[in-house]
Amino acid sequence: DVVMTQTPVSLSVSLGGQVSISCRSSQSLVHNNGNTYLSWYLQKPGQSPQLLIYKVSNRFSGISDRFSGSGSGTDFTLKISRVEPDDLGVYYCGQGTQYPYTFGAGTKLELK
Amino acid sequence: EVQLVESGGGLVQPGRSLKLSCVASGFTFSNYGMNWIRQAPGKGLEWVAYISSGSSYIYYAETVKGRFTISRDNAKNTLYLQMTSLRSEDTALYYCARVAAISTHWFAYWGQGTLVTVSS
Repeated sequence: DVVMTQTPVSLSVSLGGQVSISCRSSQSLVHNNGNTYLSWYLQKPGQSPQLLIYKVSNRFSGISDRFSGSGSGTDFTLKISRVEPDDLGVYYCGQGTQYPYTFGAGTKLELK
Repeated sequence: EVQLVESGGGLVQPGRSLKLSCVASGFTFSNYGMNWIRQAPGKGLEWVAYISSGSSYIYYAETVKGRFTISRDNAKNTLYLQMTSLRSEDTALYYCARVAAISTHWFAYWGQGTLVTVSS
């Protein structure tokens, strides 16, 4: 199975600040078809997860351009700029390149 | 608007069975692959199973293979998860989640979840 390792486990940020979350996979996430199926999700307190980013760097419908994804192969990063109160929660990376699909353990974003 | 509504969760004794349902609306259900994903209390996300739009392709996590069965009824716009030989470690909030489109491998839409508690 592909192991997804997220760092840090938690992050404190001031409103308006910028943060980065790292996600590393134990194997390359480049699919046989050339696509890289790395996605990012945010789970706000008491809510279901929501999709933010797919295929490394594509923002899902309605997602602010304050969220950006980058990376390749096994190393990926989610950046959040100008952090707002609604951004707080737990962020998960996930891979869909091979079954079983797997997720990172999550990064909790909190207010400083 | 895409809506996914899970039901069927509850308290069940170890070794017993339970069947979850997920009713879909707001899109053409028969066109999309569907997944079950679970989250144990206070823990992270664990993918459980996938079924393709026409049920031709089905995959399971090793932790549930042989005990859980994913299925769908496209005429009823409903996804199912039949769970047997339940264990305490199956206790979780179970979400159904839809892929974004054909041949996509990320979870674009999620339900609100249904809680399964396995305890004597």
